[in-house]
Amino acid sequence: QQPVQSPQAVILREGEDAVINCSSSKALYSVHWYRQKHGEAPVFLMILLKGGEQKGHDKISASFNEKKQQSSLYLTASQLSYSGTYFCGTEGENTGNQFYFGTGTSLTVIP
Amino acid sequence: EPEVTQTPSHQVTQMGQEVILRCVPISNHLYFYWYRQILGQKVEFLVSFYNNEISEKSEIFDDQFSVERPDGSNFTLKIRSTKLEDSAMYFCASRWDTYNEQFFGPGTRLTVL
Repeated sequence: QQPVQSPQAVILREGEDAVINCSSSKALYSVHWYRQKHGEAPVFLMILLKGGEQKGHDKISASFNEKKQQSSLYLTASQLSYSGTYFCGTEGENTGNQFYFGTGTSLTVIP
Repeated sequence: EPEVTQTPSHQVTQMGQEVILRCVPISNHLYFYWYRQILGQKVEFLVSFYNNEISEKSEIFDDQFSVERPDGSNFTLKIRSTKLEDSAMYFCASRWDTYNEQFFGPGTRLTVL
């Protein structure tokens, strides 16, 4: 039930790109992406709903393929502030508010 | 900007004691959640609450846990007899509708000795 993320950890130099994947074994209606800094609450990045859409703002974007039950988060031209742990969160249709966070991806951006 | 608040920020308790963690969700939100995060691990869903009742709960949310919305503004999580393994950060979240963004509170760090 818990989505699986890959990779588990990634280290980037400033300006490099990264892709984080989220895969579920269950049919999905929505995928959320959050970033969490150490000791802080998760911060919402974006939500994608069933329909295979792609969203983005600034240099962070995401795609959602509900047939494959997968979502990917794209970070381009990474900045030091992008460092943190990224979680996807998923909901199925008619699941009564059960919300599953993924396994997490630790992203470290170095100068 | 409205925000979710949680009190206390840190709670230290003895094993076997009862604790109540408090949350004030954003005022026009209808859906409320509690999550747990053990240090260094992923965020785990505990329970969702809508229309004054639990709508979903995970296997973690056993009989030791209960939630209440006693007065229309506070949303509480009670752990009746704490265990060492209950030590974690507990996050409250709320949203106005399903399939929308969840707003997280800053968390309460629970330490069980």
